[in-house]
Parts: sequence; C-alpha cells; structure tokens
Amino acid sequence: NAGVTQTPKFQVLKTGQSMTLQCAQDMNHEYMSWYRQDPGMGLRLIHYSVGAGITDQGEVPNGYNVSRSTTEDFPLRLLSAAPSQTSVYFCASSDPGDVQYFGPGTRLTVT
Amino acid sequence: SQQGEEDPQALSIQEGENATMNCSYKTSINNLQWYRQNSGRGLVHLILIRSNEREKHSGRLRVTLDTSKKSSSLLITASRAADTASYFCATEGGADGLTFGKGTHLIIQP
Repeated sequence: NAGVTQTPKFQVLKTGQSMTLQCAQDMNHEYMSWYRQDPGMGLRLIHYSVGAGITDQGEVPNGYNVSRSTTEDFPLRLLSAAPSQTSVYFCASSDPGDVQYFGPGTRLTVT
Repeated sequence: SQQGEEDPQALSIQEGENATMNCSYKTSINNLQWYRQNSGRGLVHLILIRSNEREKHSGRLRVTLDTSKKSSSLLITASRAADTASYFCATEGGADGLTFGKGTHLIIQP
C-alpha cells in the first residue's frame, strides 16, 4: 500500500494563479481531509469529506474548493492564490473515528 | 480556533530522561490522538485514546486521558536523540476532522 500520496511536493505560484493539489489514498477510507500548517502552528482543517460525493467546510475554507468524485481521490483547488495561502498542506484519510493517516505534504509559496 | 493546547511549548532534556507533555482541550471529544512531526516532514500517528479510556501504552509511550479535567498527557520514557521532534495532540469530537494544538517542540540533548 502506498498509503496517502500528495503531489506536487513543492509549488511556487504567483498571486492570482490557480492550481490543484492532488491527494490519493489506497486504503479504502471513507473519510478524507485537507489541513494547512503555518510556521509554529498546529494543523487547521480546510475541507473534509465523509464519502464520495460529500464534502464540507472546516475551520479555514475560504479560497479553497474540493470535490470527491471517487473514494480514492480528494483534490484541493486554490481558486486565486494569495500570499496568505503560503503554507504546507497535508491531506489525510481514515476510517470514521479512527487513526488519521497523513500524506507527506505539499509546500506552497505564493509570491 | 484550535482546541488543544500543549504545554510546555518547548522542552529540552538529556538523553535517557523522561519527557512529559500535556494537552488541554475545551469541548467534549470522541477520542484524542497524539502525533509526532520531525522537522520538515509529515505527521506520524503515535497513540489514539478514546473518551472511555484512561490510559494507553505503546512501547516507550504512555498516554493518559482525564475527561473530567479535559486534559491528556504524553510520557516518553528513556528518551533518545531520535525522539527530537514536535508533538501534537489532536481531538476528534465528531465527523468534522481533528482539531490540533500548536505542539510541543522536544529536543533531546545527547
């Protein structure tokens, strides 16, 4: 099992550009989520999904969109990148109420 | 807002000593999880303790949970240089994901 994979590992964007961060898991987990981590901080929840076709907002959803067309994939879209979105982004998956498995992260810089 | 608050924010001890980190939270939970993060890396799950459990062990790790005080502690015994990392507690209260604290940065001095 590859677990949770994320691409790309690093990305630099200019203000106003859009992009999609990819996340995939091969553990057949129903629950998937996106977090961002800023320097010296814990992780904050952006969006989550409890199953294919179902998504909901977390603590910091503004500026981000998600979709969940399959159990395996949960892409995160930045609509119009802003410097405030410079962060490390982590995707996670789990069975409900169980351990969350995290991907290696995507380090995003917006200039 | 972040529910979990770890204490201390930073901890430096000698190799071989025990390290204790505490976590407090505000609302009722289903479970509490501890994660480790090495510098620049992803999160590694350490222990999950459910709200009806009081203590769990895993190797050199011991986690306690006191739901009446809304607090948890992580004890690492016989610390090693490889334990140097940031440690986060995260609470789960429902289907809306984990709420993380800001973490404790642990440094093990050789």
